[in-house]
Amino acid sequence: DADVTQTPRNRITKTGKRIMLECSQTKGHDRMYWYRQDPGLGLRLIYYSFDVKDINKGEISDGYSVSRQAQAKFSLSLESAIPNQTALYFCATSDRTGGLAGQETQYFGPGTRLLVL
Amino acid sequence: DQQVKQNSPSLSVQEGRISILNCDYTNSMFDYFLWYKKYPAEGPTFLISISSIKDKNEDGRFTVFLNKSAKHLSLHIVPSQPGDSAVYFCAAIRGGKLIFGQGTELSVKP
Repeated sequence: DADVTQTPRNRITKTGKRIMLECSQTKGHDRMYWYRQDPGLGLRLIYYSFDVKDINKGEISDGYSVSRQAQAKFSLSLESAIPNQTALYFCATSDRTGGLAGQETQYFGPGTRLLVL
Repeated sequence: DQQVKQNSPSLSVQEGRISILNCDYTNSMFDYFLWYKKYPAEGPTFLISISSIKDKNEDGRFTVFLNKSAKHLSLHIVPSQPGDSAVYFCAAIRGGKLIFGQGTELSVKP
C-alpha cells in the first residue's frame, strides 16, 4: 500500500464549483504540504502544515484553503474553481525527526490531475 | 522570481553515456539542495541531496556537485540507463520548505 495517497486521481469540474482534494498518509509524519505543478514552472508550494494545529500559506495560496483534520489527513479546497487552477496537484509529507532541522526529505503522493472548464 | 532555475527543459543522452543535469540558484542563504526524479503519473521521489558544507555527494551512479561561488549544482548520472528517463527537479530547502526548479526531462536512448 502506498504511504501517501491522494483522492481523486483525476477530476474535471466547472468554473465556480467548490472542490476538495484529499491526502492521507500512513508514514506517521507530522509535516504535510500541498503543491501544484504547471508546465515550465516546476512545483510551487500552496500550503503547508508542520503539525495538526499549524497551517501556513505557501507561495501561491490565493484561491485555496486547507484543513488538517488529523495528523494523517490534509485536505486542499478550491472554494470557487477557475480555469487557471487547472494543474497537477501533489501532497507531500516529511518527518522533522528524519534529519537535520530544515533538511527533512519530503515524500510525495501520486498526484491529482485537475481540469477546470 | 525563480530562485531555483533549470534552464534546460530537456536532455537526450545515449545509453551508457553520462547525463549531466544543471541547476542554478540565486539565494546564497540556501544551505541544502536535493534532486527529485519524477515518472509520468507518479509523484516526485527523492534521489540525492547535498549540504552546502560539501562540494560533492555520491550515491551509486548518481553524483551531485555543488559550486557555491557560482551558485550552481549539477547531477551526473553515469552510466545512463533507459530507466533513468524521467523529469528531474532540483530543489533547495529554506525554513523546511522546498523551492523547486522547473525540471529537466531526461531521455536515455538505447
